[in-house]
Amino acid sequence: QQQVKQSPQSLIVQKGGIPIINCAYENTAFDYFPWYQQFPGKGPALLIAIRPDVSEKKEGRFTISFNKSAKQFSLHIMDSQPGDSATYFCAAREGSNFGNEKLTFGTGTRLTIIP
Amino acid sequence: GAGVSQSPSNKVTEKGKDVELRCDPISGHTALYWYRQSLGQGLEFLIYFQGNSAPDKSGLPSDRFSAERTGGSVSTLTIQRTQQEDSAVYLCASSLVSQNNQPQHFGDGTRLSIL
Repeated sequence: QQQVKQSPQSLIVQKGGIPIINCAYENTAFDYFPWYQQFPGKGPALLIAIRPDVSEKKEGRFTISFNKSAKQFSLHIMDSQPGDSATYFCAAREGSNFGNEKLTFGTGTRLTIIP
Repeated sequence: GAGVSQSPSNKVTEKGKDVELRCDPISGHTALYWYRQSLGQGLEFLIYFQGNSAPDKSGLPSDRFSAERTGGSVSTLTIQRTQQEDSAVYLCASSLVSQNNQPQHFGDGTRLSIL
């Protein structure tokens, strides 16, 4: 059972465009939603994270939009660059597991930014 | 280096053999996680260690999988009688647990191939 559903599986965007990656969840106990970026042969690296008490969080060119009622959240990359080409994972963590930060991941989106 | 270190980076072995994968967490990080990343899939939680507490083994897929963490630092993930479906990238992460929502820092993984 996929607890965090991520789409699309792959995405190709022209440089300067705004790729959008979407995630949806069912478990209302989730209360922390990070996004990870992964380059080939490397481990995932935390990009940005949000808690459900805010609807949007921005860090540099990366923005998370969060819709608590719809149980959906998305990642937007402004002014995308070829160096942003990577696989992006959304994730979620249950708030009841204080001290246990185990994450449930989406299946990933392979993003390609073409010059 | 200051990051999470995993070894070996690649491991090829024959079906039925046992394998050991090693993780050196970031110094001072009390929490350690193992995840498995199969081709085209997200990261799947395997096991979590925190200090002297009993590990959370809820993600281990079968009793062929086990892990230990000696002295609160280095961890070893052992897979006995390997099967072809065990082929995946095994990722280790560590974090501080002094506060909630501490980011997990990932190593670059061990790519395991079972022939």
